[in-house]
Amino acid sequence: RKEVEQDPGPFNVPEGATVAFNCTYSNSASQSFFWYRQDCRKEPKLLMSVYSSGNEDGRFTAQLNRASQYISLLIRDSKLSDSATYLCVVANQAGTALIFGKGTTLSVSS
Amino acid sequence: NAGVTQTPKFRVLKTGQSMTLLCAQDMNHEYMYWYRQDPGMGLRLIHYSVGEGTTAKGEVPDGYNVSRLKKQNFLLGLESAAPSQTSVYFCASSLRDPRIGELFFGEGSRLTVL
Repeated sequence: RKEVEQDPGPFNVPEGATVAFNCTYSNSASQSFFWYRQDCRKEPKLLMSVYSSGNEDGRFTAQLNRASQYISLLIRDSKLSDSATYLCVVANQAGTALIFGKGTTLSVSS
Repeated sequence: NAGVTQTPKFRVLKTGQSMTLLCAQDMNHEYMYWYRQDPGMGLRLIHYSVGEGTTAKGEVPDGYNVSRLKKQNFLLGLESAAPSQTSVYFCASSLRDPRIGELFFGEGSRLTVL
């Protein structure tokens, strides 16, 4: 089993839609989780950290389910500018580096 | 703000040639990383460093060497390039332990090996 697995998509949604991405991780000892965003042919950038209690940043909500080893990202009221690849990221067991999922591609259309 | 700078940004090599990718950060970060990104494979960690003078292997280290002689620089070397090393290479740095610190990436270096 890969350390971090994501549905690659693509997810094609209209503006204003709500869309959710899921991610599973294999190492039950993992403590830190993140969502990064990568625009086409650009470098990844941190979107948000994922906390045990769940957290929200504007239209974005991240959830963590430790029992199922599952992370989610919910985007409400999608904008054209949300079109990108969303990377699920987990810190490695030693805490020395981040392990990236393959990414889920979102395309928002007008 | 320079942040993380990679050079060169593009390079074409012939099989068997050698080259070095340079990563420089001006944020006084302790941790530095080299990832490669291939279609359908996502970002994979090649080597990383947790401080000046240290290096460690990541997920896909074979065919690459690294050095961190100065805190601000992290070099990635290909001694004998192979077509399988055609990829986009990203350098990243973080101030502290990546479990609590954000990774900042360079713009990437596109390498083609013929």
